[in-house]
Amino acid sequence: QVQLVESGGGVVQPGRSLRLSCAASGFNFDKFGMHWVRQAPGKGLEWVSFFSAEENSEFYADSVKGRFTISRDISKNTLYLEMTSLRTEDTAVYFCARDGPHWDVDCWGQGTLVTVSS
Amino acid sequence: QSALTQPASVSGSPGQSITISCTGTSSDIVNYNYVSWYQHHPGKAPKLIIYEVNNRPSGVPSRFSGSKSGNTASLTISGLQAEDEADYYCSSKRSVTRFFGGGTKLTVL
Repeated sequence: QVQLVESGGGVVQPGRSLRLSCAASGFNFDKFGMHWVRQAPGKGLEWVSFFSAEENSEFYADSVKGRFTISRDISKNTLYLEMTSLRTEDTAVYFCARDGPHWDVDCWGQGTLVTVSS
Repeated sequence: QSALTQPASVSGSPGQSITISCTGTSSDIVNYNYVSWYQHHPGKAPKLIIYEVNNRPSGVPSRFSGSKSGNTASLTISGLQAEDEADYYCSSKRSVTRFFGGGTKLTVL
């Protein structure tokens, strides 16, 4: 079955960098677009970034544009999110998710917690 | 700010029906039949429960249903069960990116 497992979260100081990983299994990873979605404490879901498999291109929310980079390694079936210049407002649980065929997000991981604090 | 507006909370008793609204604009819900709904139990992975306005993925109970009228989409849960207590989010096509509603906390009394 489809499985998405995030890792790489932790506590980091403002201004520093962190890289999240998402190991995918159970489907043809190279054929699907992939998202990162986050949830700050006490807040709702916020879409962060999308990697389009069709166009081999990346898209970002305005709040992270220029600071975060999404990428993937097809040989490792792994999605990444490189986060730089981190801010306290980036503190959140980060979910990796698969782009569905109906303009939806059809599979989600359990998330990894990123805490930006001095 | 979210492009899609949901009530912050709704509640209902077991066995009752509830409806959660999701109000968008002419840039999203009005123009596209790509409305999806997600159920999120805190600490767990969110789950897709409705796609393309009113379709249920395999395994989602039929008591979950969706609809759309004008710029408002709705999720109805009939025959409420205790395990339905969760946060619910709507989403709609708007551009190549994705947007979620602010989320609605469902309490089963």
